[in-house]
Amino acid sequence: DAKTTQPNSMESNEEEPVHLPCNHSTISGTDYIHWYRQLPSQGPEYVIHGLTSNVNNRMASLAIAEDRKSSTLILHRATLRDAAVYYCILYNFNKFYFGSGTKLNVKP
Amino acid sequence: DGGITQSPKYLFRKEGQNVTLSCEQNLNHDAMYWYRQDPGQGLRLIYYSQIVNDFQKGDIAEGYSVSREKKESFPLTVTSAQKNPTAFYLCASSTSPSGRMGEQYFGPGTRLTVT
Repeated sequence: DAKTTQPNSMESNEEEPVHLPCNHSTISGTDYIHWYRQLPSQGPEYVIHGLTSNVNNRMASLAIAEDRKSSTLILHRATLRDAAVYYCILYNFNKFYFGSGTKLNVKP
Repeated sequence: DGGITQSPKYLFRKEGQNVTLSCEQNLNHDAMYWYRQDPGQGLRLIYYSQIVNDFQKGDIAEGYSVSREKKESFPLTVTSAQKNPTAFYLCASSTSPSGRMGEQYFGPGTRLTVT
């Protein structure tokens, strides 16, 4: 099964950009890259997804490497409400593959 | 309001008892999923269903059972055969795989404690 690798934790200052990396070296051509985030004791929340091209939405940007073996979630201006565990996930029409995620700490 | 509801939020059971966790959605989604999350860990897929009256085992289905008799409901039973059932259980739903590339909507979760 395809898997993702993320740093266990990262720290950012409020109102600064944050780049959350993800490696997925065994990704297949039909896998979509999804990002979700989870606050303590809550269900995960969808952030963004992409296949090959970079993607932007109101929450974040997703930069996908040309070989698709890695991707980066970009939060343009971190706020205290962005403190959460961020999961980089591969989706292939049947199920999601969740890793352990990156715990983002945002300092005021 | 459209969304996914899970009940109860906290559930306590004695070892050896079966327990059923409820999951209901009014989003008209075809697919529904059950995940288990242990402290400090990511989510692991238990079962999923792409359509009514059909479901598939996920990565850790042993000791669990599900049913999908209605589109909006996907209850999960944790049986006495599950060796370590204490965990946070999350239900999710999504449109069909061809729609929006599988964006999932999660419920608030049920924290099950078995003693």
